[in-house]
Amino acid sequence: QVQLMQSGAEARKPGASVKVSCKASGSMFVSYAIAWVRQAPGQGLEWMGWISAYVGNTNYAQKFQGRVTMTKDTSTSTAYMELMSLRSDDTAVYYCAKVVGSGGNFDSWGQGTLVTVSS
Amino acid sequence: SFVLTQPPSVSVAPGKTARIACGGNNIGTKSVHWYQQRPGQAPVLVIKYDSDRPSGIPERFSGSNSGNMATLSITRVEAGDEADYYCQVWDNSRDVVFGGGTKLAVL
Repeated sequence: QVQLMQSGAEARKPGASVKVSCKASGSMFVSYAIAWVRQAPGQGLEWMGWISAYVGNTNYAQKFQGRVTMTKDTSTSTAYMELMSLRSDDTAVYYCAKVVGSGGNFDSWGQGTLVTVSS
Repeated sequence: SFVLTQPPSVSVAPGKTARIACGGNNIGTKSVHWYQQRPGQAPVLVIKYDSDRPSGIPERFSGSNSGNMATLSITRVEAGDEADYYCQVWDNSRDVVFGGGTKLAVL
């Protein structure tokens, strides 16, 4: 079972950027995709995008296109999600999740990273 | 884009069966996955590919999917099942869609 460990809570001012990391345990990090999902306080899950296995192609939800960048470093088994031009409504817990296969489920999740955007 | 509709809340007495609906246009043609999220915790996969239970998930959890509705059923409900439940599908094999979530209250 892959375990995903995310970086700690962050506080930013509006207009700034934040980069969240997600380190995977175990082998075969290169062989699965990583998705990013966020959850605003008291709200539901919102998919942000994914970065594919092997080549590292990305697909971002339309809402975040132009503002989000997902990358990964296979040498350290770490995925990253950077969100720019932060607004107060970006305050949320951000999760990474391992994607099973193509079009599959998310079978392992990180513990979540709280990002607070406030002036 | 594809839309998944869930009831905001479902209430059930302990020992009874809870059914949580997830509606979508011809959702029966897609694979539906279900997640349980307890307060302050990350989501946990409880049903994959409509009706398959991951290792470690009790047999009390089951799923079905047909037509315009997918359903998560929890039999012999326990206090520990109180949580938010989300359905999830893929749209056009590229985009991920979550339902709005259903809060299960155990009376």
